[in-house]
Amino acid sequence: KAGVTQTPRYLIKTRGQQVTLSCSPISGHRSVSWYQQTPGQGLQFLFEYFSETQRNKGNFPGRFSGRQFSNSRSEMNVSTLELGDSALYLCASSLGGDSGNTIYFGEGSWLTVV
Amino acid sequence: DQQVKQNSPSLSVQEGRISILNCDYTNSMFDYFLWYKKYPAEGPTFLISISSIKDKNEDGRFTVFLNKSAKHLSLHIVPSQPGDSAVYFCAAGSNFGNEKLTFGTGTRLTIIP
Repeated sequence: KAGVTQTPRYLIKTRGQQVTLSCSPISGHRSVSWYQQTPGQGLQFLFEYFSETQRNKGNFPGRFSGRQFSNSRSEMNVSTLELGDSALYLCASSLGGDSGNTIYFGEGSWLTVV
Repeated sequence: DQQVKQNSPSLSVQEGRISILNCDYTNSMFDYFLWYKKYPAEGPTFLISISSIKDKNEDGRFTVFLNKSAKHLSLHIVPSQPGDSAVYFCAAGSNFGNEKLTFGTGTRLTIIP
């Protein structure tokens, strides 16, 4: 059974540009979450989608957005990139629907903003 | 406000001995807890979880203990192996269909051969 797949793995963008990251959850999983990991802030929750609806949102500015498609695949977008957006972006999936599900992570997308 | 805390940034343990990683939380709404292991440049790998209705969960070499009154959980690894060297994160979540996890800052475990 394939795990959570994220693309691209590595990318470099220029300040002011935008970026779109993609995530394919584990087959059968309907919940997809996104996290940002930086050395200073650790793992921070961005948002969670379930059945194409954003169900929960962390404390990030509106430049960070996401969506989920009918096949549960998800994308996140960061507009007007800032140097501080350089981080490892992690996607996670779980069955969702019920509570206390195990959440599985992908390998992450390394974003460098220059 | 750090709702999940791992107060030891690093820990070194001799191979074959027990590794004990600790985690404290402040939010009483948390009712399930997970431990993840992470290597650099990789995503976190799920290790073990525990629901607040239990005080212990065991899976092979890994055991998680939960003390709700103290808002404290710990991960025991016995026996410790060199491959266990990694950063360990505890994470807490709340039920009611909420898949949001709050993570601690991590503890770097080094197993000394």
